Amino acid sequence: DTGVSQNPRHKITKRGQNVTFRCDPISEHNRLYWYRQTLGQGPEFLTYFQNEAQLEKSRLLSDRFSAERPKGSFSTLEIQRTEQGDSAMYLCASSTPRTGGEETQYFGPGTRLLVL
Amino acid sequence: AQKITQTQPGMFVQEKEAVTLDCTYDTSDQSYGLFWYKQPSSGEMIFLIYQGSYDEQNATEGRYSLNFQKARKSANLVISASQLGDSAMYFCAMREFDQKVTFGTGTKLQVIP
Repeated sequence: DTGVSQNPRHKITKRGQNVTFRCDPISEHNRLYWYRQTLGQGPEFLTYFQNEAQLEKSRLLSDRFSAERPKGSFSTLEIQRTEQGDSAMYLCASSTPRTGGEETQYFGPGTRLLVL
Repeated sequence: AQKITQTQPGMFVQEKEAVTLDCTYDTSDQSYGLFWYKQPSSGEMIFLIYQGSYDEQNATEGRYSLNFQKARKSANLVISASQLGDSAMYFCAMREFDQKVTFGTGTKLQVIP
């Protein structure tokens, strides 16, 4: 399978616990994005990496959220001291720039988080 | 102002008929990209079609075509010969110069046999 993969697919945790999600992008893609999607909404941008550098962070990404992409391959998204409002689908996408400007993001299956 | 507006929360279409899903966008960038994604109930976002702001021809991918009207800032998705498997949420999205992608709120399409 050469698509974007995410683990775990589902996570249930208690309020106050820390959780970590992993994303493995398409191997030749140098850009990796994290999004959050709540029920009835489109995905909202959280952050993105070009290789190992984190280039942009949304205001949605509070200090309880941290993302890393060591060595420019897989990425992790950690949420510390989870709150019920963190319950959402967390989507990862990867892309690579192409000549002509087209740069399509390909998404993983997502990690659905439920905070009790 | 919303960057991506999808005014149709839900749409119904008869199987084998064509359907148009509306999308308008707002940007001051000269160079941008427009996308449509499909999200079935399983949750995965599936890329359907891309249109670059400098592309003069409307994009087509199989049964999907994008009706791009730059002056109106609209990028409507047309699905021809609808199939039952087309029932899903459809999201319009825009990538601007800063590489961030903004999504609309989506349109839920239901194909009726």
